[in-house]
Amino acid sequence: DIVMTQSPEYLALSLGERATINCKSSRSVLYSYNNKNYLAWYQQTPGQPPKLLISWASTRESGVPDRFSGGGSGTDFTLTISSLQAEDVAVYYCQQYYQTPCSFGQGTKLEIK
Amino acid sequence: QVQLVESGGGVVQPGRSLTLSCAASGFIFDDYAMHWVRQAPGKGLEWVAVIWYDGSNKYYADSVKGRFTISKDFAKNTLFLQMDSLRAEDTGVYYCARTETGYYLAPFDYWGQGTLVTVSS
Repeated sequence: DIVMTQSPEYLALSLGERATINCKSSRSVLYSYNNKNYLAWYQQTPGQPPKLLISWASTRESGVPDRFSGGGSGTDFTLTISSLQAEDVAVYYCQQYYQTPCSFGQGTKLEIK
Repeated sequence: QVQLVESGGGVVQPGRSLTLSCAASGFIFDDYAMHWVRQAPGKGLEWVAVIWYDGSNKYYADSVKGRFTISKDFAKNTLFLQMDSLRAEDTGVYYCARTETGYYLAPFDYWGQGTLVTVSS
């Protein structure tokens, strides 16, 4: 099984600051056949289901603000929020869908300082 | 628009069974693989099971293998999760989710609101 490890588990920043969340997989999720990273980022606000933000490591979903960006390849990935807004307070999860079980990271709780 | 609506959650004693449903609408149900994901109270997300778009293959997390069964009713556009021999550690909110493409290994682009299962005596 692929283990996903996120850091930090908790992040408190001021409005307008840059937020960076890291995600590391225990093995590569880059599929050489199509050169795609099978890695997604989700945002979950209290009482709501997760929302897909980024797929294939760096493809922003329709309607997601461009302050959100994803990067990385192989085993190391990042989610960056360029300028933190109040509505970005949430828990963020990375997920690999390279193979089953489609494992998630433990989550990063992002708050406003 | 795409909608996924779960139902069937509730309080159940350890060892008993429960069946969850996920009613799908707004897309061609036959064309998409579907997943179940759960979340224990105050905890993170745990993938549970997936069924291929045509129902031909199913995969499960080790924690539920042999106890849970995922299925699709194509006539009713409904996804099911039959849960047997329930344990306290199965307690949580259960979400159904659709893959972005028909393939089972793809991002989960739509999620239901979830249904709460509590296993307690």
